[in-house]
Amino acid sequence: DAMVIQNPRYQVTQFGKPVTLSCSQTLNHNVMYWYQQKSSQAPKLLFHYYDKDFNNEADTPDNFQSRRPNTSFCFLDIRSPGLGDAAMYLCATSLGGSFNTDTQYFGPGTRLTVL
Amino acid sequence: AQKVTQAQTEISVVEKEDVTLDCVYETRDTTYYLFWYKQPPSGELVFLIRRNSFDEQNEISGRYSWNFQKSTSSFNFTITASQVVDSAVYFCALSEALGTSGSRLTFGEGTQLTVNP
Repeated sequence: DAMVIQNPRYQVTQFGKPVTLSCSQTLNHNVMYWYQQKSSQAPKLLFHYYDKDFNNEADTPDNFQSRRPNTSFCFLDIRSPGLGDAAMYLCATSLGGSFNTDTQYFGPGTRLTVL
Repeated sequence: AQKVTQAQTEISVVEKEDVTLDCVYETRDTTYYLFWYKQPPSGELVFLIRRNSFDEQNEISGRYSWNFQKSTSSFNFTITASQVVDSAVYFCALSEALGTSGSRLTFGEGTQLTVNP
């Protein structure tokens, strides 16, 4: 089945220690998104890639970076995690190209704990 | 700016009851899309429905139905004969186009639905 996969499902890191979260997709979608969802809150878009074009949200902290080496994979790098970065990180994909048909499909998320 | 309001933070029902989740939105766009997603305890956001701003017909899918009323900027979701497996957080979302490079979803705060046996 075509899907969005996130690894690991749970990640524990130490304050200030860089961490990388991974997302892969078999949907062959052009767009990949990263959302941050803190406890009992709505998901918040951090950035997205359309193919290799990176689009950062205006209020995304510099501490968050992303890489998309190919169509299937996208990584979220947190350079120096703080306690406030503990959250669920959700990856999503969509076809892109036409607003009329653009639906985002989400992966299972990675729950990040910062000690 | 886009905004989605889900006034019901938590709802608790007994199995087999019908339940309606409310969603009110604000947008200046004339073309927009509305979504409902389900988030079970496992964390994955599961897509339920997409509705465009030009289609106000109600939609039914099994026990799920959606009522879209443009006049009141509402897109409500009803679960008929609720089941324990329906327990989850439900998010309503509004989409805006990002040129041809995808779309940005603005989510409501979510409604935690608990269905008790």
